[in-house]
Amino acid sequence: DIQMTQSPSSLSASVGDRVTITCQASQDITMYLNWYQQKPGKAPQLLIYDASNLETGVPSRFSGSGSGTDFTFTISSLQPEDIATYYCQQYNHPLTFGGGTKVEIK
Amino acid sequence: QLQLQESGPGLVKPSETLSLTCTVSGGSISLTTYYWGWIRQPPGKGLEWVGSIYYTGSTYYNPSLKSRITISVDTSRNQFSLQLSSVTAADTALYFCGRLRRGSAFDIWGQGTLVTVSS
Repeated sequence: DIQMTQSPSSLSASVGDRVTITCQASQDITMYLNWYQQKPGKAPQLLIYDASNLETGVPSRFSGSGSGTDFTFTISSLQPEDIATYYCQQYNHPLTFGGGTKVEIK
Repeated sequence: QLQLQESGPGLVKPSETLSLTCTVSGGSISLTTYYWGWIRQPPGKGLEWVGSIYYTGSTYYNPSLKSRITISVDTSRNQFSLQLSSVTAADTALYFCGRLRRGSAFDIWGQGTLVTVSS
């Protein structure tokens, strides 16, 4: 199985800050990577697919980049409604998720 | 607007079989391009893919659970189901069903249903 290592596991930032989360795959997954946002008590929501494509309806302050084994998820200007846990997910079989990054407001 | 809704018992005894159904409304489960899947999340922990199914019945299971899982589809009822046998406390989790676009990304999720394994 491909292991996905996310970092940091949690972070605290101020409104308006640029926030960056990284995800590292244990082997080359080309661009087979998605990013999700999960708010407390809710189901995850797809934000970014195929490493860098913004899902329809998702604000443009969210972005993704990377290929191979190293990927980055960025919130360009953190908003209060972005408080959530973010997960990466690769889709070589079997599908696997990263451990999550909890984002809080400072 | 497509919606998914999980249903099933919230409490299962150890060694018994967990059974959940996901009902798809607002669209057909028989669309090409989409798979349908189960994901679970133990309380306070991360996400784990359980398995997926295509409307034709083709299945893909998490190898760590494969010996205990059966996922089936009923296109006439627009539903797909999960059975997980020989459950233990480690199977206690919030179980989500989801639509898996091109077999790659879960783009629509159910609200989730909590299943507790306890005697």
